[in-house]
Amino acid sequence: QVQLVQSGAEVKKPGASVKVSCKAAGYIFTGYYVHWVRQAPGQGLEWMGWINPNSGGTNSAQNFQGRVTMTRDTSISTAYMELSSLRSDDAAVYYCARDKEGSGYPAYNFDYWGQGTLVTVSS
Amino acid sequence: DIVMTQSPDSLAVSLGERATINCKSSQSVLYRSNNKNYLAWYQQKLGQPPKMLIYWASTRESGVPDRFSGSGSGTDFTLTISSLQAEDVAVYYCQQYYSTPPSFGQGTKLEIK
Repeated sequence: QVQLVQSGAEVKKPGASVKVSCKAAGYIFTGYYVHWVRQAPGQGLEWMGWINPNSGGTNSAQNFQGRVTMTRDTSISTAYMELSSLRSDDAAVYYCARDKEGSGYPAYNFDYWGQGTLVTVSS
Repeated sequence: DIVMTQSPDSLAVSLGERATINCKSSQSVLYRSNNKNYLAWYQQKLGQPPKMLIYWASTRESGVPDRFSGSGSGTDFTLTISSLQAEDVAVYYCQQYYSTPPSFGQGTKLEIK
């Protein structure tokens, strides 16, 4: 069955970077875009960007451009999201999610999600 | 960017009764060339990631019980739970994928009355 398993919780200081991993299983990793979505405590969902695991191409939301880096390692079916220059308002649960369409273009809807990674930003 | 607005923010419904959640987009999410509404619904239970329920506004995701249904077109959409079960307690989100960035509603918290 399809699974996305994320790395564990992180505590970071303001100004630092955090890198979250998302290991895919149960499907062909290079066949589906992987998105990153975050959720601040008690808040709604905010799309951050996607990576095409096949080509390595990425696209990020304007709010995160210059601060987010998405990469992948196809040999271990894992996607990564690194967010730099962390601020207190970056404290959130970060999710990876699989794009529903297995075509050459992202559909921007999400059929499988990782369990989430809590990132705490505190001095 | 398209803004998604849900109503109500919270809702309490008796077991076995109907629950209705509304979602309005700031511009149409109907793509006329294929007559599809680029609208999805998700359910998020406490401490869990979201789960896709509905896509194309009315197509139920595999494995989703048929008491969940989606309707609407253009800018106005509805998620209906025909007979509320205890396990349906959750926050529900609508999401448009018509244009980037994809955007979510603020969520509707559904509880048992």
